[in-house]
Amino acid sequence: DIQMTQSPSAMSASVGDRVSITCRASQGISNSLVWFQQKPGKVPQRLIYAASTLQSGVPSRFSGTGSGTDFTLTISCLQPEDFATYYCLQYSSYPLTFGGGTKVEIK
Amino acid sequence: EVQLVESGGGLVQPGGSLRLSCAASGFTFSDHYMDWVRQAPGKGLEWVGRIRNKGSSYSTEYAASVKGRFTISRDDSKNSLFLQMNSLKTEDTAVYYCTRAYSSCGNKCNFDSWGPGTLVTVSS
Repeated sequence: DIQMTQSPSAMSASVGDRVSITCRASQGISNSLVWFQQKPGKVPQRLIYAASTLQSGVPSRFSGTGSGTDFTLTISCLQPEDFATYYCLQYSSYPLTFGGGTKVEIK
Repeated sequence: EVQLVESGGGLVQPGGSLRLSCAASGFTFSDHYMDWVRQAPGKGLEWVGRIRNKGSSYSTEYAASVKGRFTISRDDSKNSLFLQMNSLKTEDTAVYYCTRAYSSCGNKCNFDSWGPGTLVTVSS
């Protein structure tokens, strides 16, 4: 199984900060990666697919980079509505596996 | 508008069974692979399994944690997805989501739409 190691598991940041979250795959997954945002009590929302393609309607301050084993979700200028938990998901091979999540909290 | 709505959750005793349903609308359900994902209270997301479309013989894939106990099926005539859960364990307690995956639209519609989820509680 492919392990997805997501870091950090939690972070404190301020509005306006640049934030980066990483996912490392235990083996190469090409660009078969999705990033989700989940707010408390809500359904996960897809932000990025195919590692770097921005979901329609998602603000351009979100971006995804990477290929192979190392991936990064970047929020260029953190907004109040961005405080949430973020997950990566690899769909290169079965079983599909999620990262452990990154909770972004207000500093 | 794409809509997915799960139902069938509830309280069940360990060792019991439950069948979840997911009603789909607003897209060509039969074209899509469909997945189940779950989230235990206060925990992260866990992929449960997938069923492919008719063109891929409705074949299925499962997470190791549910293989042999859970069965995914679908009824394209009713735009419905199902998750039959047997031999339930306390660790199966979670919100269960259905989500659409691949079709001819490729990655563009992979995990783009989710239902609101249904809570399954396994407890004596």
